[in-house]
Amino acid sequence: RKEVEQDPGPFNVPEGATVAFNCTYSNSASQSFFWYRQDCRKEPKLLMSVYSSGNEDGRFTAQLNRASQYISLLIRDSKLSDSATYLCAVIPNNAGNMLTFGGGTRLMVKP
Amino acid sequence: DAEITQSPRHKITETGRQVTLACHQTWNHNNMFWYRQDLGHGLRLIHYSYGVQDTNKGEVSDGYSVSRSNTEDLPLTLESAASSQTSVYFCASSKGGGQPQHFGDGTRLSIL
Repeated sequence: RKEVEQDPGPFNVPEGATVAFNCTYSNSASQSFFWYRQDCRKEPKLLMSVYSSGNEDGRFTAQLNRASQYISLLIRDSKLSDSATYLCAVIPNNAGNMLTFGGGTRLMVKP
Repeated sequence: DAEITQSPRHKITETGRQVTLACHQTWNHNNMFWYRQDLGHGLRLIHYSYGVQDTNKGEVSDGYSVSRSNTEDLPLTLESAASSQTSVYFCASSKGGGQPQHFGDGTRLSIL
């Protein structure tokens, strides 16, 4: 089993739709969680950190479920510009500051 | 504004040549990382450093080396370039303490 797993997609959704991605992690002691956005042939950019209490930034909401060992990203009112690959990343408790990345979920928002 | 920069952005070279990719950050971050990204493999860690004079091997370190002589720079060297090392290379840095990593723009390297 991979340490961090994501459904590769693609998720094809119409503009205005709500879409959610999950990311599972295997190390129950993991402490830090993040969502990154990566556009084609560009660098990953931090979208948001994921806190135990959940957090929201505009149309984006991130949640952490420690019991089931997954994090989620919800995007409301999808825009064409949201089309990208979304990477989840985890810092396992015993890994210093190394991030373990999932393989990414590709989102395509269609007009 | 503080930032992380990589150079060159694109490079084409021949097998057997030594190649060095530069990474420079102005955030004064202790932690720096090098990744490669290939289709079907996602981001794979090559080497990382937690401070000056500290270097560590990552998941795919064979054929690569790094050095950390100051806080700002972590150059990545391909000792004898191979076609299998054709890839996009990303450098990243972080403050530590569970903080996220921030990435440079990447270097697209082609080895013919």
